[in-house]
Amino acid sequence: DSGVTQTPKHLITATGQRVTLRCSPRSGDLSVYWYQQSLDQGLQFLIQYYNGEERAKGNILERFSAQQFPDLHSELNLSSLELGDSALYFCASSGGRGAYNGYTFGSGTRLTVV
Amino acid sequence: GEDVEQSLFLSVREGDSSVINCTYTDSSSTYLYWYKQEPGAGLQLLTYIFSNMDMKQDQRLTVLLNKKDKHLSLRIADTQTGDSAIYFCAESDALRSYNTDKLIFGTGTRLQVFP
Repeated sequence: DSGVTQTPKHLITATGQRVTLRCSPRSGDLSVYWYQQSLDQGLQFLIQYYNGEERAKGNILERFSAQQFPDLHSELNLSSLELGDSALYFCASSGGRGAYNGYTFGSGTRLTVV
Repeated sequence: GEDVEQSLFLSVREGDSSVINCTYTDSSSTYLYWYKQEPGAGLQLLTYIFSNMDMKQDQRLTVLLNKKDKHLSLRIADTQTGDSAIYFCAESDALRSYNTDKLIFGTGTRLQVFP
């Protein structure tokens, strides 16, 4: 157990639907990062939050949004889902700036859009 | 720009050494990392190296950094079947952008170890 908890582990949904992925960071970590891993595009950075505030945005679609709550857990909302959104979505956490210890990753949520 | 490249596959015999290579484009990267991903699991940090170092050794793992060529390698000595996984290199842009320390990952190298 890495200390980063992601739920659900698996999600199957239809095109056009909306889903919410949840992440609880490791205790004491203030930063949460979301990554998308697909077969053809590797690991793509989506967004980072630090202590409730957005810090960096990557290749995140406008249909996707995220937030970090006061208790530091984070949610990634995916709407108007398309087949191409099927992927593994990872959450990671770190202590904040100076990630020289790297991130701690959760085990991911596998999203299948049918 | 940010780009990290790796070869896609590597196959080695059990007991041999494995060398996984990575090239990156941004010379301002401060930390470089190696992560391991086993099937169905998240990424696990194996080791990292600060950009002012040339080499770092940690048990069976040796990381070599050539800043001039922007080349990073991971050597696994006495490779075991349990080392079969996808290996990702990653760079941190913590100094490039004050507000973030996001990691940029390579495409991953799938290491297959056969008996």
